[in-house]
Amino acid sequence: DIVMTQTPLSLSVTPGQPASISCKSSQSLLYSDGKTYLYWYLQKPGQSPQLLIYEVFNRFSGVPDRFSGSGSGTDFTLKISRVEAEDVGVYYCMHSIELPWTFGQGTKVEIK
Amino acid sequence: ELLLVESGGGLVQPGGSLRLSCEASAFTSRTYWMSWVRQAPGKGLEWVANIKEDGSEKYYVDSVKGRFTISRDNVKNSMYLQMNSLRAEDSAVYYCAISGVYGGQGTLVTVSS
Repeated sequence: DIVMTQTPLSLSVTPGQPASISCKSSQSLLYSDGKTYLYWYLQKPGQSPQLLIYEVFNRFSGVPDRFSGSGSGTDFTLKISRVEAEDVGVYYCMHSIELPWTFGQGTKVEIK
Repeated sequence: ELLLVESGGGLVQPGGSLRLSCEASAFTSRTYWMSWVRQAPGKGLEWVANIKEDGSEKYYVDSVKGRFTISRDNVKNSMYLQMNSLRAEDSAVYYCAISGVYGGQGTLVTVSS
């Protein structure tokens, strides 16, 4: 199984400041079709996960442009340009290049 | 806006069965893969099962193979998860998703004597 490793596991951020989360996979997520199957989710307290980014850098419908994804192969990053209070929760990366799909451990983001 | 409603969870004894349902509203799910993902109390997310648009392909995480069965009814815009031989470690909130997008509150399954 592909292991997804996120760092840091927790983050305390001042509103208006940037934040960055790293996700590393144990093998490349680049598929033969040229796409890289890496996703980012935010799970707010008491809610289901919400899709933020798909295929590394594509923002899902309605996701604010302060969220951006980057990376390739096995190293990926989610950046929040200016953290807002509504961004608190746990962020997960996930791959779907092969079965089983696996998630990172999650990164808990709090506001200072 | 995608709205998914999961139901069917509850308290069941080890070895028992439950059938979870996921209904998609305001959206036609028949052209998309659907999935179940679960989250044990205080833990992270774990993918459980996928089903292809027409139901012809089904995939499971190893820990549930032979015990869980995923199915769908595209006429009813619904997906199901039949869970048999339940174990304590199956206790979790179960979420459904369409092509990786979640839209419900999940349904809680508790396996305990």
